[in-house]
Amino acid sequence: NAGVMQNPRHLVRRRGQEARLRCSPMKGHSHVYWYRQLPEEGLKFMVYLQKENIIDESGMPKERFSAEFPKEGPSILRIQQVVRGDSAAYFCASSQIGGQGLREQYFGPGTRLTVT
Amino acid sequence: GIQVEQSPPDLILQEGANSTLRCNFSDSVNNLQWFHQNPWGQLINLFYIPSGTKQNGRLSATTVATERYSLLYISSSQTTDSGVYFCASSNTGNQFYFGTGTSLTVIP
Repeated sequence: NAGVMQNPRHLVRRRGQEARLRCSPMKGHSHVYWYRQLPEEGLKFMVYLQKENIIDESGMPKERFSAEFPKEGPSILRIQQVVRGDSAAYFCASSQIGGQGLREQYFGPGTRLTVT
Repeated sequence: GIQVEQSPPDLILQEGANSTLRCNFSDSVNNLQWFHQNPWGQLINLFYIPSGTKQNGRLSATTVATERYSLLYISSSQTTDSGVYFCASSNTGNQFYFGTGTSLTVIP
């Protein structure tokens, strides 16, 4: 499977627990984006990473959320002390390096987070 | 950031009909993509089209970058075309801005 992989596909957490969402980019892709989609809404940019670097995290909430893309292994989006408002679908996309900011994104199937 | 507006917000078509979806963006962009989110929530790439025209089967897209809009054409619609169509744009490749989508329902 050469596509973007995300796991878990569904995640249920109680308020106050931690959620860890994983994303493996397409083979050959070194850029990863995370998005959040609330019900009946479009996708909202959260963070853009390259291997071992956060390039743009301007869409990430300042507290409780963090992201990493280590040299080895998948990208991780971590949400600490989850609250009900964190319930959403979280999508990861990957792209290749392109000159002059050209980036065609490919999306994973998403992780549906439910906070009870 | 870039404001992305899509129209119409909702569309109901009889199977076999044609349609045009529009995406306006507020600033110059060097990335523009169209996606189909199917009823299972998956986002499927339709076109990467920062400028020009492309065709893929019954779908085609045109972006007029100088006038800041893109159009997605669906011909001979099928029930499997149902879902939400999003456009997304960026002028840096760092942040992408999505529209709120066009929800398409194709009736048999």
